[in-house]
Amino acid sequence: DIQMTQSPSTLSASVGDTVTITCRAGQSVSDWLAWYQQKAGKAPKLLIYRASTLEGGVPSRFSGSGSGTEFTLTISSLQPDDFATYYCQQYKSYNSFGQGTKLEIK
Amino acid sequence: QVQLQESGPRLVKPSETLSLTCTVSGGSISGYYWSWIRQPPGEGLEWIGYIYNSGGPNYNPSFKSRVIISVDTSKNQLSLRLSSVTAADTAVYYCARGPLNCSGGTCYPLYLRYWGQETLVTVSS
Repeated sequence: DIQMTQSPSTLSASVGDTVTITCRAGQSVSDWLAWYQQKAGKAPKLLIYRASTLEGGVPSRFSGSGSGTEFTLTISSLQPDDFATYYCQQYKSYNSFGQGTKLEIK
Repeated sequence: QVQLQESGPRLVKPSETLSLTCTVSGGSISGYYWSWIRQPPGEGLEWIGYIYNSGGPNYNPSFKSRVIISVDTSKNQLSLRLSSVTAADTAVYYCARGPLNCSGGTCYPLYLRYWGQETLVTVSS
């Protein structure tokens, strides 16, 4: 299986900041990568797929980039609603998720 | 609007079999892939396995000997059976749906667009 590693595990930021979360794959997944947002007590919500394609209805302040083994999720001009946990997922070979990055208010 | 609703016992005894059903409304079972994912309390997401009707099920090797995922297209339902459970299987379980990328007779599951609600299953005597 393909191991996915996210960094950092926790990220503290303020409203209005721009933040970046990194996801590294144990082997190339091409661009078969998705990002999800999860809030407490809720199911994950798809934000980005194919590494950089924004899911419909997701604000444009979310963006994704990368290919191969290294990917980033960038959130520009953080809003109060963005404080949550974020997961990457590869679907190149079966499925596997990163361990998550908790974005908290500084 | 696609909705996924999980049902099944929320309390399972150790060594017994955990069984969950995911009923799909607002869309068809066919033409998509269906996953089970779980999340132990305070931990991250763990893929259990997936199935699509043009291919057999595929399982996370960590569960392979204990898990069965199946689809009943007549009832628009997805099922999960996890045998010989222990306290480590206590988790929130999700069913989820995603699109398939099909080419040349082969289909590849993609991302997960629709998820069911949190379903906490506790393993305890």
